[in-house]
Amino acid sequence: RKEVEQDPGPFNVPEGATVAFNCTYSNSASQSFFWYRQDCRKEPKLLMSVYSSGNEDGRFTAQLNRASQYISLLIRDSKLSDSATYLCVVNMKSGGGADGLTFGKGTHLIIQP
Amino acid sequence: NAGVTQTPKFRILKIGQSMTLQCTQDMNHNYMYWYRQDPGMGLKLIYYSVGAGITDKGEVPNGYNVSRSTTEDFPLRLELAAPSQTSVYFCASSSAHSRFNSPLHFGNGTRLTVT
Repeated sequence: RKEVEQDPGPFNVPEGATVAFNCTYSNSASQSFFWYRQDCRKEPKLLMSVYSSGNEDGRFTAQLNRASQYISLLIRDSKLSDSATYLCVVNMKSGGGADGLTFGKGTHLIIQP
Repeated sequence: NAGVTQTPKFRILKIGQSMTLQCTQDMNHNYMYWYRQDPGMGLKLIYYSVGAGITDKGEVPNGYNVSRSTTEDFPLRLELAAPSQTSVYFCASSSAHSRFNSPLHFGNGTRLTVT
């Protein structure tokens, strides 16, 4: 099983719709989870951390399911500007050091007018 | 605040040439990283540093070297460029105080082609 897996997409979604995608991780001891956004030919930028109880930031909601080892990202009322690749990032190292970050390959989202 | 600055933005190298990718950050972060991103692949860690004078190998260190003489700077050296090193390189930094929940701040990237 790959360490961090994402559906590469693309997800083609009409503007205003709700879209959700998941990311599965292989290491049950993983401690930290993040969603990053990467625009075409740009650097990744943190979208949101994912907390155990789930968290929301405006139109974005992130959930963690430790039992099934996946995290999810829900985008409500999608905008054209949400078109990007969404990277799932998991910290798989239980000890010190942020070097244990593992990046998924990303899910490509296209919002259509 | 400039954040993480990488130079150059683009570079074409011939096989066997060498070059240094520069990275500097002004956020006083102790942790710095070099990643490479190949098309359709996740970012792979090349080297990282937890502070000045300390560096360690990541997942794909072969063919690269780094140094960390100051907190601000973390250059990546390619000694004998090979076509397999054609990629987009990102430098990143993060705070030392909350490593597990500290976001990575990325530079704009360097697009390197080796022919």
